[in-house]
Amino acid sequence: QSALTQPPSASGSPGQSVTISCTGSSSDVGGYNYVSWYQQHPGKAPKLIIYDVTRRPSGVPDRFSGSKSGNTASLTVSGLQAEDEADYYCNSYADVSDVHWVFGGGTKLTVL
Amino acid sequence: EVQLVESGGGLVQPGGSLRLSCAASRFTFSSYWMTWVRQAPGKGLEWVANINENGSEEYYVGSVKGRFTISRDNTKNSLFLQMNSLTAEDTAFYYCATHSGFRIHYWGQGTLVTVSS
Repeated sequence: QSALTQPPSASGSPGQSVTISCTGSSSDVGGYNYVSWYQQHPGKAPKLIIYDVTRRPSGVPDRFSGSKSGNTASLTVSGLQAEDEADYYCNSYADVSDVHWVFGGGTKLTVL
Repeated sequence: EVQLVESGGGLVQPGGSLRLSCAASRFTFSSYWMTWVRQAPGKGLEWVANINENGSEEYYVGSVKGRFTISRDNTKNSLFLQMNSLTAEDTAFYYCATHSGFRIHYWGQGTLVTVSS
């Protein structure tokens, strides 16, 4: 069982917006502004797309945005494109014994 | 562009050992924390361990503490993961990655470890 809770699937049509949630606790998501999001295509390594809740690494389109409210972080993908179909994982720093970095279980995003 | 290449994966029997390596290039390796993350086939990501720039601090997830050891050789731009007392639950792709600030940033392509008799 993953430490952070994500919906297993999400979908949207090209051009639409989709939001993926990531729920944790006050020991991780709610306690720190250190939430990251990763995109993973089949057979590929994860790629960082959002860090520190809202920041985008260089080269990541501004169609990807992040936010946080309380113990829940969210990733929004606007203007969906076919290449956005992938698995998305959230990650947070955690002040918990025996685990310092926790991931969500992943969300499969399907572009209809 | 940052390059990370893992090696050392393979098939090992339960109770066995394996040492993973990660060759880093195209960035100043000695200036970064490094981390290992694993992913069981078809499953999600799990942070395994990380190490600070000079190797003086190490942190592990509870399930591998006492069995796995992370280390680095800054003279050879290399990261290692020594894995002992392996069980089927350790079967996964193992990724090495850079750790910058509070983000796991650049990832290698991974190496597969299969624990089976």
